[in-house]
Amino acid sequence: SQKIEQNSEALNIQEGKTATLTCNYTNYSPAYLQWYRQDPGRGPVFLLLIRENEKEKRKERLKVTFDTTLKQSLFHITASQPADSATYLCALEPDSWGKLQFGAGTQVVVTP
Amino acid sequence: NAGVTQTPKFQVLKTGQSMTLQCAQDMNHEYMSWYRQDPGMGLRLIHYSVGAGITDQGEVPNGYNVSRSTTEDFPLRLLSAAPSQTSVYFCASSTDRNNEQFFGPGTRLTVL
Repeated sequence: SQKIEQNSEALNIQEGKTATLTCNYTNYSPAYLQWYRQDPGRGPVFLLLIRENEKEKRKERLKVTFDTTLKQSLFHITASQPADSATYLCALEPDSWGKLQFGAGTQVVVTP
Repeated sequence: NAGVTQTPKFQVLKTGQSMTLQCAQDMNHEYMSWYRQDPGMGLRLIHYSVGAGITDQGEVPNGYNVSRSTTEDFPLRLLSAAPSQTSVYFCASSTDRNNEQFFGPGTRLTVL
């Protein structure tokens, strides 16, 4: 079955540095991959979508890459700020039937 | 726009009780879905709908029923609550399955 793996350990990073999160998947070739942010006690909020024919996508201080050969997506937060502290989830559709599947998420903690 | 709304925010049930979690959206989205989120397991898809009158099962549908009589509403029914259904439930909507999902604030359910 499709498996999505994200680092389960929290990423502790100093303000101003770049945070890099990984999302690895197996057993399928998704047409796109999404990234979400989730704050404690709240629902996830969409950040970025990258398609299989796009190598990289940027939005303000966020950058996502998508390597379909490695079956991996990297999510970068540049010039990180304490307000970036949250859990970040990746999601993809393992087949064509509309069942979006999420990874467990990686917590990011940015300290001043 | 209120976006995606969910009621109630919190609920405690006894084993065997039934209840309905409400979800509504005012964005005229065709695609709606229900997820449950458990610690360390990420979001898991319960049921989804691609439009009024059309529903399908997700990854963990057992013990849950849904219906979609209108575009706006997508209620989730627990027929006979079990402690294993203790979780946080999120409803989401989007224009279609390939686009960003808009999540509601969640319902925290405890089954004793």
